[in-house]
Amino acid sequence: ELKVEQNPLFLSMQEGKNYTIYCNYSTTSDRLYWYRQDPGKSLESLFVLLSNGAVKQEGRLMASLDTKARLSTLHITAAVHDLSATYFCAAERDSNYQLIWGAGTKLIIKP
Amino acid sequence: GAGVSQTPSNKVTEKGKYVELRCDPISGHTALYWYRQSLGQGPEFLIYFQGTGAADDSGLPNDRFFAVRPEGSVSTLKIQRTERGDSAVYLCASSKGPSDEAFFGQGTRLTVV
Repeated sequence: ELKVEQNPLFLSMQEGKNYTIYCNYSTTSDRLYWYRQDPGKSLESLFVLLSNGAVKQEGRLMASLDTKARLSTLHITAAVHDLSATYFCAAERDSNYQLIWGAGTKLIIKP
Repeated sequence: GAGVSQTPSNKVTEKGKYVELRCDPISGHTALYWYRQSLGQGPEFLIYFQGTGAADDSGLPNDRFFAVRPEGSVSTLKIQRTERGDSAVYLCASSKGPSDEAFFGQGTRLTVV
């Protein structure tokens, strides 16, 4: 059974600092997704990672995937307040289009 | 519309009542998904439609839950004999096809009192 674990679940950091959110999944998965959710808002797609070694970057966010370690990371560089949100990773189960989600990482960035 | 639209945005109902939640996907998207999100948790898969048919309904928690998509566009999630444990945000998402990027609606917050 595919399970997805994120850590940390809560992260408070200062602007300008770097940090990494980790996403471990328990069995083989074809795709790994990262989403952002602001309070009371919908889920916004950030990255889709399809293969081992995949790295994608958008602004201050960079996501990577290591399928051998069953690990994806979301790295935040020089954090700014606007990045405060909850970040979710999700893995696709057995190519059947069903996403299994982590519990989310609530990120608070203080000025 | 430009995005996935869900109505109502909020629904309060009494225990035992029947509710319907509606999802209007992005035009042209053949794949449609329903998820449920409880406070402080990640979304939980409920059902996936490809066109008009439910390709995977393995996430529906029990037979009180049912979803339809009769014309391959709008979908309705139906919950019979609601229970307090059904309270959650119900999210709908659509994508061009299976495994394409999914776009989520704002969700319907269901509260069963």
